[in-house]
Amino acid sequence: GESVGLHLPTLSVQEGDNSIINCAYSNSASDYFIWYKQESGKGPQFIIDIRSNMDKRQGQRVTVLLNKTVKHLSLQIAATQPGDSAVYFCAERDDDYKLSFGAGTTVTVRA
Amino acid sequence: KAGVTQTPRYLIKTRGQQVTLSCSPISGHRSVSWYQQTPGQGLQFLFEYFSETQRNKGNFPGRFSGRQFSNSRSEMNVSTLELGDSALYLCASSLEGRNRVDEQYFGPGTRLTVT
Repeated sequence: GESVGLHLPTLSVQEGDNSIINCAYSNSASDYFIWYKQESGKGPQFIIDIRSNMDKRQGQRVTVLLNKTVKHLSLQIAATQPGDSAVYFCAERDDDYKLSFGAGTTVTVRA
Repeated sequence: KAGVTQTPRYLIKTRGQQVTLSCSPISGHRSVSWYQQTPGQGLQFLFEYFSETQRNKGNFPGRFSGRQFSNSRSEMNVSTLELGDSALYLCASSLEGRNRVDEQYFGPGTRLTVT
């Protein structure tokens, strides 16, 4: 699979490989984190979320990992498919219930 | 169940004009949030409305305002448009907005171009 240790704006991945998208968040008071997928011409779509009292959560082909010590969030996509090509955003919700979004990573799946 | 709808989908305005964008939330959703998305600044929170009251606000100038009606539909207004207001404006709705597992559903956005 392909992964990035630090946030990069783009990620190119071979179809069938696993991909890892990283995100650093800023507010240690944030207690809820969400990954969104945004396809061209559409609004962000919820993928998976995780609360701060957890360090891992799995969904269908996706896993979110949370490291509160270094304020780092990652999204792992298993067996990446062409339909996974999109921009992925992490978001943190602070204690005022406001969502703050990361810069986004554009994932391109190579056939 | 119909998703979040936003009208219009595309809009071109001239500097100095004002604009009103509309958002219809998912039926039963009472919280509506607005976001601005630009290539340079990314997704930024504008404000949130719940039961016709602004419950939360981001760091935008007073030229940006909004309101919510009794049927939970929301509008946002931008006065004295500037070139930098060109962006995709996204609306998101959720049931209450205060439950930890209360997911936000986004509309397709309104693409505003200021010339």
